[in-house]
Amino acid sequence: QSALTQPASVSGSPGQSITISCTGTSSGIGNYNLVSWYQQHPGKTPKLIIYGVSERPSGISNRFSDSKSDNTASLTISGLQAEDEAHYYCCLNAGNGIWVFGGGTKLTVL
Amino acid sequence: QVQLQESGPGLVKPSETLSLTCTVSGGSISPYYWGWIRQPPGKGLEWIGYIYYSGRTDYNPSLKSRVSTSVDTSKNQISLMVNSVTAEDTAVYYCARYLCGDDNTCYAFDIWGQGTMVTVSS
Repeated sequence: QSALTQPASVSGSPGQSITISCTGTSSGIGNYNLVSWYQQHPGKTPKLIIYGVSERPSGISNRFSDSKSDNTASLTISGLQAEDEAHYYCCLNAGNGIWVFGGGTKLTVL
Repeated sequence: QVQLQESGPGLVKPSETLSLTCTVSGGSISPYYWGWIRQPPGKGLEWIGYIYYSGRTDYNPSLKSRVSTSVDTSKNQISLMVNSVTAEDTAVYYCARYLCGDDNTCYAFDIWGQGTMVTVSS
């Protein structure tokens, strides 16, 4: 079963871009279109922000984008805003009915 | 607009069974997959398992021996049971709907309940 590793924290200033990585320990994350990303503000429910091949649910800003390289999926947030400060989680449909979440990354907007 | 609402006891004693219900409103249980996810205080998300509207299930291998889910299409509800709970089962428990394609490939959790906090303590 693939485990997903995310950095514990990242930070950036308003207007900058940041990238959060999500690295798989097996080939599971190679199914790029099976990685999804969630944003969670303190005390709130996780919200889906990216899924499939760079799909964004209705209402999600195009400042959020994703990419993949080898065994790593990445979330990029451009034009950082104060409201982007939150925890971000990657998630993988690892196959055979199993799903895995990354440990989460706290984004601080300086 | 589909909404999910988790309900159940907020306090469970160690070694007992945790039972939660997720009620789906504004839409139907079928033909969707439904998942349970939990989040211990101050920690990350953990996938517990899923149930298809037909009753097919699968679970996190680390919890499989203690977890079961069920579906009641007449009540538009799904349920979760976790047996032999310990303090490590203390968490906010979420139910969520899977976002899947026509080929039944699932990509994400697109609708979440607000979550319910369950504390395991004597």
